[in-house]
Amino acid sequence: QVHLVQSGAEVKRPGASVKVSCKASGYTFTSYDISWVRQATGQGLEWMGWMNPNSGNTGYKQKFQGRVTITGTTSISTAYMELSSLTSDDTAVYYCARKGSNSGGWFPFDYWGQGTLVTVSS
Amino acid sequence: EIVLTQSPGTLSLSPGERATLSCRASQSFTSAYLAWYQQKPGQAPRLLILGASSRATGIPDRFSGSGSGTDFTLTISRLEPEDFAVYYCQQYATSPTTFGQGTKVEIK
Repeated sequence: QVHLVQSGAEVKRPGASVKVSCKASGYTFTSYDISWVRQATGQGLEWMGWMNPNSGNTGYKQKFQGRVTITGTTSISTAYMELSSLTSDDTAVYYCARKGSNSGGWFPFDYWGQGTLVTVSS
Repeated sequence: EIVLTQSPGTLSLSPGERATLSCRASQSFTSAYLAWYQQKPGQAPRLLILGASSRATGIPDRFSGSGSGTDFTLTISRLEPEDFAVYYCQQYATSPTTFGQGTKVEIK
C-alpha cells in the first residue's frame, strides 16, 4: 500500500523559509519521481517542481526558480520542498505527489500526500 | 505554458443524472496527455482518468473521458452521492504540467 505522509502545518513570517517533508512507503522510493503541487484556499492546483530520488535531478516551474528547492534523503524515503522569501501569496496547502510511471517523460500523479497547510502572516 | 479552461465553473445536478465537464486547451496536444482528477473538501486530488480516456486503477466505469487536440470531456454517466466534488483536468504533454481551474459538481 503506497503512502505519502507529509509534515504538519506551519506558520511563517513574511520573508522566512519553510521546509515541508514527504515520507514515502509501500514502494521503492528511488523508482518514481516526486512532484510538489500547491493549492491556495479555494483555488486550483499549481505544479511547482519535481525530483528524481535516484539521480537527484530536479526541475522547477520558472515562476519558482531561485526560491524553491526540492531534495530527498533516500535512506529514509523522504522528499523535501523548501520555499524561501515567503509572502502572503504563498499561503496554501502544499502536496507531494508521485509520478504514476517510472518511465521517462511526464505522467499523471497517482498518489498524493495529505497536504501541508503553510500560512504566511505577520 | 498551456492554459486549460474548464467549463462550466459549477454544475448543479441531482443524483442519477449525467454530468458532462469540459476542458479546453490553449494549444493542441500532440498526444492525448490529458488527465482528470476528483477532489473532495479537505482531501488530496484523486486520479480518475489518464491518457484522455483510460480509467485509473479502481475507478468505476461510470467515469469516462474523451477528446483530442484541444477539447476534452469528462462524463459521469449517473451521479452517485459520492461524486459531488471538484474536478480538475491536467495536461502533461509539455512542461510545465498545468491544471484547469476546476469544475464543481454540486447537488441540485
